[in-house]
Amino acid sequence: NAGVTQTPKFQVLKTGQSMTLQCAQDMNHNSMYWYRQDPGMGLRLIYYSASEGTTDKGEVPNGYNVSRLNKREFSLRLESAAPSQTSVYFCASQTSVEAYNEQFFGPGTRLTVL
Amino acid sequence: QKEVEQDPGPLSVPEGAIVSLNCTYSNSAFQYFMWYRQYSRKGPELLMYTYSSGNKEDGRFTAQVDKSSKYISLFIRDSQPSDSATYLCASCYLYKLSFGAGTTVTVRA
Repeated sequence: NAGVTQTPKFQVLKTGQSMTLQCAQDMNHNSMYWYRQDPGMGLRLIYYSASEGTTDKGEVPNGYNVSRLNKREFSLRLESAAPSQTSVYFCASQTSVEAYNEQFFGPGTRLTVL
Repeated sequence: QKEVEQDPGPLSVPEGAIVSLNCTYSNSAFQYFMWYRQYSRKGPELLMYTYSSGNKEDGRFTAQVDKSSKYISLFIRDSQPSDSATYLCASCYLYKLSFGAGTTVTVRA
């Protein structure tokens, strides 16, 4: 039981390049989330998917797109990377959004944009 | 202004000391209050959560929420070097979590 997995673990991009961050969970959770973590800012929600087939913007969605590929997988795409997107990205999942329950986080992807 | 404010520290204490961590929040609609622990280069893990006001104890950890003052606290008794981590407070309304910036704690052996 791997929980939440993320690939890649590290990535360096040049400004303007694109890439997709992958996330998968094996806990049969309905809801999935993408956060970014920056020093002094805590975790900020980029996008979330309440259930398979739905996605919604979070607090900082500009410059990102997401795809909920199936119940297990939720990807985050940077179409044209900018230095301001240098951050650590975390994917999380939880049972559902209907009531509070624990969010489980992946190990993170450390992205540097030069 | 962030919905949840947390002093980023850092905080350094000797082994065995009591660690006190605090957050304030602004959204009166928050009902669930969480503390996540994050070790270096790892993802956050839920440590404790409370619903509404009151205290909750789990071993050496005690979480307190005072909704009248919008104050969230975490106390770690008999702190150990293994408690060295970043602690993030969070509040939940509906399906979204709002996180504080995190406080980095170092427990010196």
